[in-house]
This record gives sequence, structure tokens and C-alpha cells, in this order.
Amino acid sequence: DAGVIQSPRHEVTEMGQEVTLRCKPISGHNSLFWYRQTMMRGLELLIYFNNNVPIDDSGMPEDRFSAKMPNASFSTLKIQPSEPRDSAVYFCASSFSGTGSYEQYFGPGTRLTVT
Amino acid sequence: QQPVQSPQAVILREGEDAVINCSSSKALYSVHWYRQKHGEAPVFLMILLKGGEQKGHDKISASFNEKKQQSSLYLTASQLSYSGTYFCGTEIITGGSYIPTFGRGTSLIVHP
Repeated sequence: DAGVIQSPRHEVTEMGQEVTLRCKPISGHNSLFWYRQTMMRGLELLIYFNNNVPIDDSGMPEDRFSAKMPNASFSTLKIQPSEPRDSAVYFCASSFSGTGSYEQYFGPGTRLTVT
Repeated sequence: QQPVQSPQAVILREGEDAVINCSSSKALYSVHWYRQKHGEAPVFLMILLKGGEQKGHDKISASFNEKKQQSSLYLTASQLSYSGTYFCGTEIITGGSYIPTFGRGTSLIVHP
């Protein structure tokens, strides 16, 4: 299995630009998570999809952030407009969720730098 | 609502033991443990679903005390490869959904 695939691996952009991060979960997994990791705030859950439906987006910082999951094999996280404080590593993770708890498989992450 | 980990950092020599604790102010349904090496993604180690459950993998094991709302990760006879940041995770149950949340992590450094 290829594991969770994220692209790009690195992104450097200027403040005000639109940034789109992409994720392909593990085939057969029905839950997908977007996380942001910084030294200051640790690993934060941004949004969680189950069966392509957003279940919890309370971690999305503000309206500049949006996420979609048009099908079971693809998700995007978009930041528009980007700001320097958005600089972080963004992880996508997937899992198979029946009911209750489950192990998550993380992608390699996208390191975003906004200048 | 985020679980609290202690200590924040541990420095060991090869062969020494370490314990990392994870506690929550809310009832724990389950506890997950992950390890993240520098510049890499977190990797799942184990999950404990029942109070009193204990699990082990190589010389890394964990326990879950549901009543005390805490879990501990035990690293025995540590190896250089154990170095990394260890995260505990749990779920907040909201509207029938299990929303994951992670502690801030414990940095473990193993020296030769």
C-alpha cells in the first residue's frame, strides 16, 4: 500500500496568495483528518471527514481556510489569502472508522512557508 | 480538553528505562500512542480501548487506567531508535462523533 499521499511536500508562497494542499488517503479508509503542527501549538486537528462528509471543522482557524472531500480518494485544504502565521507543517491522516476509536495513518506532510 | 503529557522531555542513555504519562480532565474512551521522528510524520504505536488494558510491542508497552483518566507509556532498555517525540491521543465524544485530540508531546532523546 502506498500510504497516505500528500502534495506538495514543500510550499513557499507570498502573503496574500492562495495555497492548495492535496491529500490522497489510503484506499478503503473512510475517515480523513487534516492537522496543522507548529512548535507553539503542537498538533491541532483542523477538520475531520467521515465518508466524505465534514464531521467537525471547529479547528479551522478562520474563513480563510476551507477543505473539501469530493470523493473517497481525494481531499484538499485551501488557504485564501495566506498569511505568515499560517506557516506550519500540514498533515493529512486517514483511518478506517467503524464506530469509536481507530488508529490513524499520517501522510508525510506539507511544509508551508508564507513570506 | 487536550490531554496533558508529562514530562515534556526525557534524556536517557541506551539501556535505560523511561515512562511517559498522559492524563485527561475528561473521561477517556481510549488512548492512542504515536511516535514522531524529526522531520517525519507521526507513526502509530498502539491503542488501548479498555480501562486496565495493557499492550506491548518490542520493549515499548502501555497501560490505561480508565478510572484515573490516564495512560502511561513504558520504554524499557531504550535504544537509539526510540528517540523522537511521543504523543498520546484520545477522543472527545461530540454529538455521537469521536473527535481526536493530541497532547503536546514528550521529547525523548536516547544517547549512546
